[in-house]
Amino acid sequence: GAGVSQTPSNKVTEKGKYVELRCDPISGHTALYWYRQSLGQGPEFLIYFQGTGAADDSGLPNDRFFAVRPEGSVSTLKIQRTERGDSAVYLCASSLTGVTEQYFGPGTRLTVT
Amino acid sequence: QQQVKQSPQSLIVQKGGISIINCAYENTAFDYFPWYQQFPGKGPALLIAIRPDVSEKKEGRFTISFNKSAKQFSLHIMDSQPGDSATYFCAAQGGSEKLVFGKGMKLTVNP
Repeated sequence: GAGVSQTPSNKVTEKGKYVELRCDPISGHTALYWYRQSLGQGPEFLIYFQGTGAADDSGLPNDRFFAVRPEGSVSTLKIQRTERGDSAVYLCASSLTGVTEQYFGPGTRLTVT
Repeated sequence: QQQVKQSPQSLIVQKGGISIINCAYENTAFDYFPWYQQFPGKGPALLIAIRPDVSEKKEGRFTISFNKSAKQFSLHIMDSQPGDSATYFCAAQGGSEKLVFGKGMKLTVNP
């Protein structure tokens, strides 16, 4: 079956602009995660959804970052007033409820100029 | 505070050799330890995982060794192949749903 998909694959934006990054999880996966990966580093947790609700948003760096999952499937990560330090690869992962294996998408490479 | 420490940062081995990657953790609440493989421009792919109730798990050429008392675990890649050249991440999970990753190790397997 299809894996986790993310769009766009690349996004270049100017400092101060607003961006939205989309994640389509594996069909039937109720848990969805967002991570951020800076160059040469491991992924860092941002937020975790169980169904439609954000069960853990402790990794969001500040209030410029927000994520939604209104119907319990597709999720959108929203970044307001982007800064150059937001440049990174944003990864989405999904899993079945009660199952620990997380499956990652290819990521969206965000570049803030 | 780095909760999962990974070493070495890079490794070069010859085809057919053994690649060994080590990780150490501090949080005793961790109870699930996966390894991910990442190729350039791709997302991390789950390779193999272990829980603390076993000391070793083998899947094909990949083996995880786990030492609960030392809070260490390692990945062994037997008969390394050029196609194994990638970045490998150890991770840990426990007490919450999030994965905590190490910084990664870039493996190069020369033909």
